[in-house]
Amino acid sequence: DAGVIQSPRHEVTEMGQEVTLRCKPISGHDYLFWYRQTMMRGLELLIYFNNNVPIDDSGMPEDRFSAKMPNASFSTLKIQPSEPRDSAVYFCASRLSGSGDTEAFFGQGTRLTVV
Amino acid sequence: GENVEQHPSTLSVQEGDSAVIKCTYSDSASNYFPWYKQELGKRPQLIIDIRSNVGEKKDQRIAVTLNKTAKHFSLHITETQPEDSAVYFCAARRSQGNLIFGKGTKLSVKP
Repeated sequence: DAGVIQSPRHEVTEMGQEVTLRCKPISGHDYLFWYRQTMMRGLELLIYFNNNVPIDDSGMPEDRFSAKMPNASFSTLKIQPSEPRDSAVYFCASRLSGSGDTEAFFGQGTRLTVV
Repeated sequence: GENVEQHPSTLSVQEGDSAVIKCTYSDSASNYFPWYKQELGKRPQLIIDIRSNVGEKKDQRIAVTLNKTAKHFSLHITETQPEDSAVYFCAARRSQGNLIFGKGTKLSVKP
């Protein structure tokens, strides 16, 4: 397996534009997480899904952020409209549930810059 | 919800010395405590984890200890090397739940 795949790796956009980040989890994993990383706030959990269903979106900063998981192999995080304070590295992670605790694997991240 | 505190935020040691990073958590139901290492510009990667039914776990130069009563856990790196320089994150989670991370510790190992 190629691991968790995120695209794009880098995104530069103008304030007010819509941004869509994409994630392909590891095949067979049933948990998917979206994190945002900044120097000031560290790694923040935005939302996570189990079996494609959003379980907890309390970390989503505001209504400008939305996430979907239409099937087991794809998820998107959308920001509309984007603002400069959204600039950060966004990570997607996935893991497999089971009888034991399992490791969460991270994607390479998307570095978002909003100018 | 869970809250994880991590200290120190930065740590500088001489090559060959030991490094210790400490974390506390708030949710007594948390039972899984992983540590991730993130090198500059890269993704966080798991280096060691511990479950609540174990007090200590060791893997070569790294070890983790857990005190459930006090709700704290620590990462110990012995005989540090320059390639250990990175940001280290602790995390806590309930079974089938989400990982909550500490703010990270930037470790610098000076040759």
